[in-house]
Amino acid sequence: GAVVSQHPSRVICKSGTSVKIECRSLDFQATTMFWYRQFPKQSLMLMATSNEGSKATYEQGVEKDKFLINHASLTLSTLTVTSAHPEDSSFYICSASRTTDTQYFGPGTRLTVL
Amino acid sequence: ILNVEQSPQSLHVQEGDSTNFTCSFPSSNFYALHWYRWETAKSPEALFVMTLNGDEKKKGRISATLNTKEGYSYLYIKGSQPEDSATYLCAFTKGSGGYQKVTFGTGTKLQVIP
Repeated sequence: GAVVSQHPSRVICKSGTSVKIECRSLDFQATTMFWYRQFPKQSLMLMATSNEGSKATYEQGVEKDKFLINHASLTLSTLTVTSAHPEDSSFYICSASRTTDTQYFGPGTRLTVL
Repeated sequence: ILNVEQSPQSLHVQEGDSTNFTCSFPSSNFYALHWYRWETAKSPEALFVMTLNGDEKKKGRISATLNTKEGYSYLYIKGSQPEDSATYLCAFTKGSGGYQKVTFGTGTKLQVIP
């Protein structure tokens, strides 16, 4: 159990377009979902934490108008990168947790902005 | 900024060798320490969560220890196998009251040579 899917796994888009990434917990209800970003050779950096039905809590330095997070249900959270630019190219990964602290991760999305 | 450091950054071991690596974290406001295994092209997988000083966890050939007073955790792999090849991440959860924040280390990349 505790499977998390993420879609798409890879996306290439033009500068100025918006990209939506979906994160789903397939076999459990996630009270909290997390969005991370990973730059090459660096650690996972937490971008935001979201609870179902409430506004996401963004980490310092993360633009909430740039990275829109919607947590519409206990099994789905979406991250939309608005007006993407080449510097937004990165690996984005989500995770979901139940009542315990353990996070269950999706497989990640590789975003390339041309 | 919380410093969660892992060492070594990478290592190569022969099949059958035992190995260990370290996660260092701040010793104040400790809440939990997680270990994850991240194989290439897969999702990070939770290995252990430890919350008490002196905790020891074991899963097959892999075990972990925790020292919250000095701020470190060791992960041990006994008799390494090629399938153990992965990046091992630790995640430190800082918490007080109802607030918790997770910070990941940069990982130790393990390559087991057949």
